[in-house]
Parts: sequence; structure tokens; C-alpha cells
Amino acid sequence: NAGVTQTPKFRILKIGQSMTLQCTQDMNHNYMYWYRQDPGMGLKLIYYSVGAGITDKGEVPNGYNVSRSTTEDFPLRLELAAPSQTSVYFCASSPYRQGEWDGYTFGSGTRLTVV
Amino acid sequence: GNSVTQMEGPVTLSEEAFLTINCTYTATGYPSLFWYVQYPGEGLQLLLKATKADDKGSNKGFEATYRKETTSFHLEKGSVQVSDSAVYFCALSGGSNYKLTFGKGTLLTVNP
Repeated sequence: NAGVTQTPKFRILKIGQSMTLQCTQDMNHNYMYWYRQDPGMGLKLIYYSVGAGITDKGEVPNGYNVSRSTTEDFPLRLELAAPSQTSVYFCASSPYRQGEWDGYTFGSGTRLTVV
Repeated sequence: GNSVTQMEGPVTLSEEAFLTINCTYTATGYPSLFWYVQYPGEGLQLLLKATKADDKGSNKGFEATYRKETTSFHLEKGSVQVSDSAVYFCALSGGSNYKLTFGKGTLLTVNP
């Protein structure tokens, strides 16, 4: 059981380049999320999705885009990379909330550096 | 809106010491409360949870009690080990909400 898989694990981008962070889950979870983690700042929600074809902004969506064409996949797109986007990015998923809810299952993260 | 406040780190302890990491929250209604742990180089993992007032969550020797009167969910462990070195995050989810609000995290280092 793979859970939530993120690729790549590490990436260095030059300012102005674009890239897609991949996220796939095999648990048939309805909800998926993208967070960024900056030192001493905790986790900030970038975008989330409640199901295929439905996405919405979180706290810090500027500079990012997402799509959810299937239940399994939730890629995060950076169009014009900026140094402020240097961070560790986590994808997470959760099942539909009914009764007991164990919160999220997280991927292992993508460490992105923009130079 | 919802918010979570954790004690500032880093926290450095010797092996077998007692651990407390404070967490207080602000939320409307009756949130569910969580502690997540992040080991070096890994993603976050659920450590324990509590879904209603006076519930005690426990796992791997860690405990936390949902205190509605003080809006707190402090994490405790009686005797820490070097392998407990990690970042600990307190989080809440309000009512039927499917989003978590996280604290800033507390880095714990346990020395042998």
C-alpha cells in the first residue's frame, strides 16, 4: 500500500522556470491538499480539492495552480518560479469525513529551491 | 477563524526526561484535535487524536487530553527516548470541516 506518493523529492529551479510537482494517492480518498512548510512557520495550505474536477484556494495560492482530473492525482504547477517559493511542499489526502476521522495521510515531501 | 498556538521550540531533553509540549486553540463549535509527528526528512504522521472534551488520545507512550475549559491539548510523555527526536505539530479540525489548521511545530531533540 503506497499511500501518498510525491515526485520529485528534490528540485532546483532557476527564477522564471516552471515545473509540476506530482502527487498520487491509492487510497481512493476524496480530499487532497497541498501545503508548503517554511522554517518556523508551520504548514500553510496552498490549494485543496474535495473531488475530481473540484479545486479551491487555500491561504497562500498566489503563484500556483492545480488540477484534479482523477481521484488519484493532484498535481501542483509553478508557472514562474520565484525565490519566495523555496520551501518544502507536502501533498496530503483524506477520506470523506463520516464518523471517526483520522485527519490526513501525508506524502514524504518535495524540497524545492529557486535560485 | 480557527487557530492553534504551540510552545516555541526548540526543546532539548536528556533521555528518560519528562516531556510536555503545550498547545492551545481557538475554534468555534467542537473541534477535533490532533498531534502529528515529523521525523527528519519525512512527511507528517498522525501520532494521536481526540474528538470530544475530556477524551485522552494516546500512542507510543505519548498522551494528550482534550480540555475544553482551558482550550488546550498538551502533549506529554513520561520518559523520552532519542528516537522521539522530531518536530511535533498540534492541529485542529472544526466540526465537520475536512481541513486541518496546524500550529507552527515544536522541534524536540533528545540527547543520550
